[in-house]
Amino acid sequence: QSALTQPASVSGSPGQSITISCTGTSSDVGGYNYVSWYQQHPGKAPKLMIYDVSKRPSGVSNRFSGSKSGNTASLTISGLQAEDDADYYCSSYTISRSFVFGTGTKVTVL
Amino acid sequence: EVQLVESGGGLVQPGGSLRLSCAASGFTVSSNYMNWVRQAPGKGLEWVSIIYSGGSTYYADSVKGRFTISRDNSKNTLYLQMNSLRAEDTAVYYCARETSYCSGGSCSFFRSFDYWGQGTLVTVSS
Repeated sequence: QSALTQPASVSGSPGQSITISCTGTSSDVGGYNYVSWYQQHPGKAPKLMIYDVSKRPSGVSNRFSGSKSGNTASLTISGLQAEDDADYYCSSYTISRSFVFGTGTKVTVL
Repeated sequence: EVQLVESGGGLVQPGGSLRLSCAASGFTVSSNYMNWVRQAPGKGLEWVSIIYSGGSTYYADSVKGRFTISRDNSKNTLYLQMNSLRAEDTAVYYCARETSYCSGGSCSFFRSFDYWGQGTLVTVSS
């Protein structure tokens, strides 16, 4: 199972909006509404930010939103803040009854 | 409060074995879908294995036949037995609970990971 494709880095100024893409296949992203997104700060465990493509867990800021079109999912962070500076990973359930993560995106708040 | 605490990591020679533990509190391991996810140094996340509440298990192709996921219901603990270890297995190993919502004795699972442990480092090197 190949990793989902994400851009290596995305940057933005405080207050701006950025979008991270996550491209898979019809066997994972395109085949299920089971895309999730995780934020990871250095040396820390990942934190769930979005599940089921666009749902936010309790306690996650509404500045984070998710969507999907075909084999590509997206995470949008609006009103960028310094604390959003982190690595972000997408994940999808797959036809093989497994999970696959994305290659990861480093978000830099300028 | 939900908490996951991994242990058992360390330095092991290629071809060796190691067993990781993940002690859970605040919920029942056997009633949930539990996973292991790993992260090689400076690299991305890689899903390793899942054990369902019914006991079914699945593995990533990279570890199939070498790793075994299990649980001890009396200790509310998840395990990962790792055999025939290779240099490429070097990583921080996280246990993670699948996102769930339970009501009236029935649970729905959401194919994502809402609680993670702090991770335990496994280094395979001679």
